[in-house]
Amino acid sequence: QKEVEQNSGPLSVPEGAIASLNCTYSDRGSQSFFWYRQYSGKSPELIMFIYSNGDKEDGRFTAQLNKASQYVSLLIRDSQPSDSATYLCAVSGGFKTIFGAGTRLFVKA
Amino acid sequence: SAVISQKPSRDICQRGTSLTIQCQVDSQVTMMFWYRQQPGQSLTLIATANQGSEATYESGFVIDKFPISRPNLTFSTLTVSNMSPEDSSIYLCSVTDRGDIGAFFGQGTRLTVV
Repeated sequence: QKEVEQNSGPLSVPEGAIASLNCTYSDRGSQSFFWYRQYSGKSPELIMFIYSNGDKEDGRFTAQLNKASQYVSLLIRDSQPSDSATYLCAVSGGFKTIFGAGTRLFVKA
Repeated sequence: SAVISQKPSRDICQRGTSLTIQCQVDSQVTMMFWYRQQPGQSLTLIATANQGSEATYESGFVIDKFPISRPNLTFSTLTVSNMSPEDSSIYLCSVTDRGDIGAFFGQGTRLTVV
């Protein structure tokens, strides 16, 4: 059974701080890794993807991948209250994507 | 990114009835998927909608319960048949052209079975 594990949270950080979200996956054959943001009552929105070891930065977001440890993380710098949402880690070995249960993030103003 | 229109956005249905959910994309896409998300849970893949052929179902999901059509590269339907309260969930259509750059989701259909 292929699995994607995340801490369900909630993770609470003050405004302006760095939020760190983590994810592990079980399938070593996974090739692509994603972070989705899901606001309450809304559908998931893709915010980052990464498929090479190391860091990938996009604005305030940095995705980190370590295939040897089967570990993916998302850093959100200068967190804003509008970042409060559930963040879903997802893993793909082709077209089919497996999602983690998500981490709820609260950014306190 | 593709613009995905999913309808209905919500419905309340009687047990034993069926509901068909539509997913329309504004451009041709390679892959279309149907997911279910139960309250407070993550997304569970129901099936891959294959254009011109039978859908590919994940373990725990069967065609008799969740028949899927995909007549072309821009449209798919999911039917939830003979509904029970356990089918109350959010159903999401998802599309992608390349599995390595992620997928995009419709707005979801919030189904309540009473």
